Amino acid sequence: DAGVTQSPTHLIKTRGQHVTLRCSPISGHKSVSWYQQVLGQGPQFIFQYYEKEERGRGNFPDRFSARQFPNYSSELNVNALLLGDSALYLCASSLAGQGGIYGYTFGSGTRLTVV
Amino acid sequence: QKEVEQNSGPLSVPEGAIASLNCTYSDRVSQSFFWYRQYSGKSPELIMSIYSNGDKEDGRFTAQLNKASQYVSLLIRDSQPSDSATYLCAVNPTIKAAGNKLTFGGGTRVLVKP
Repeated sequence: DAGVTQSPTHLIKTRGQHVTLRCSPISGHKSVSWYQQVLGQGPQFIFQYYEKEERGRGNFPDRFSARQFPNYSSELNVNALLLGDSALYLCASSLAGQGGIYGYTFGSGTRLTVV
Repeated sequence: QKEVEQNSGPLSVPEGAIASLNCTYSDRVSQSFFWYRQYSGKSPELIMSIYSNGDKEDGRFTAQLNKASQYVSLLIRDSQPSDSATYLCAVNPTIKAAGNKLTFGGGTRVLVKP
């Protein structure tokens, strides 16, 4: 079975540009979460989506947005990129309402570099 | 005070010894706790989950939870060089709500020396 898949794996963007990151959850998982991991730190929660609705938002500016599609895949969008947005962006999926019990499965991540 | 705190390490452990990692958390309503292993350049991989006070064992790994003292620990027995990684402690405030999120500590880097 395929795990959580993310694309692209690496991305280089210029300050001020826009980026879209994509995630497909494990088959049967309806919840998708996004995390940002800056080098040397633990992942930080950005968003959670469940059944196409936003169920949680972390302490990130409005430049960050996301959505979930009917097939439960998800996109994370970041506008007006800053150098500080350079990080590993992780997508995690879980069964509906079960993430707190069984944990979350992470994808391999998208490494974003802003220059 | 950070919500989830871990010693950043590195924790240097001889091969075959026990590695002991600690994590403290500030939110008393936290219900579930996870340990993730992250190799350099890779994504986190779930290795243990624990919800009740006491010990939980899985192979060479033992997680220990003490909610009264607000700490959770991870023991790695018979440490192997392949255990060299960063170990992330993650806390979830609730089990049932769909709006779960994980709050991570900064991670402890473990080095197992042959």
